[in-house]
Amino acid sequence: AQSVTQPDIHITVSEGASLELRCNYSYGATPYLFWYVQSPGQGLQLLLKYFSGDTLVQGIKGFEAEFKRSQSSFNLRKPSVHWSDAAEYFCAVGAGAVRGYGGSQGNLIFGKGTKLSVKP
Amino acid sequence: DVKVTQSSRYLVKRTGEKVFLECVQDMDHENMFWYRQDPGLGLRLIYFSYDVKMKEKGDIPEGYSVSREKKERFSLILESASTNQTSMYLCASSLAGGERIQYFGAGTRLSVL
Repeated sequence: AQSVTQPDIHITVSEGASLELRCNYSYGATPYLFWYVQSPGQGLQLLLKYFSGDTLVQGIKGFEAEFKRSQSSFNLRKPSVHWSDAAEYFCAVGAGAVRGYGGSQGNLIFGKGTKLSVKP
Repeated sequence: DVKVTQSSRYLVKRTGEKVFLECVQDMDHENMFWYRQDPGLGLRLIYFSYDVKMKEKGDIPEGYSVSREKKERFSLILESASTNQTSMYLCASSLAGGERIQYFGAGTRLSVL
């Protein structure tokens, strides 16, 4: 069965420290992979995506993620966290390289999220 | 710029009421989605639609229905609201092909009393 696991429910880091949020997926085909961020009371905003090619992808707000097929992982990183990065982060996987339209090809499977707190 | 608009940010309804949550997108996307978000459970798909008048059940459709009469609009209906439907509801849309990135609205926080 397709699934996404974010092992860490809540992470606290100090401002200026580095950050890594873990994401592992189980998917039978070539996946599309996404990281979204949600500020309190808001909808989800796309941080970055991986479809193919270079396995290290850059996103907005200084985030990057690395796709490791052998480990079925897509971990999110940031070298230096800012207080404004405090939010909830969601990893998601979707069907990659699927032909045709309609049906469930456009669906994403989301992890349960990791809440990030930033200490001053 | 991409825009998904949910008609209400906050709603308070009473048990047994019929509730409509509206979502409009201006990107000519084929796919639209309704999710429910609860603490510790992440996002759970209620219904999705890949074309006008087309709908498919997601993971938790019980107690909900949807309507898509126009491409840009996707409505979620709670026929008889119950307290266990108190939640955050998120609408999203995406293209049918290509990258299929989902774009989200700001969410509607529904309280059923």
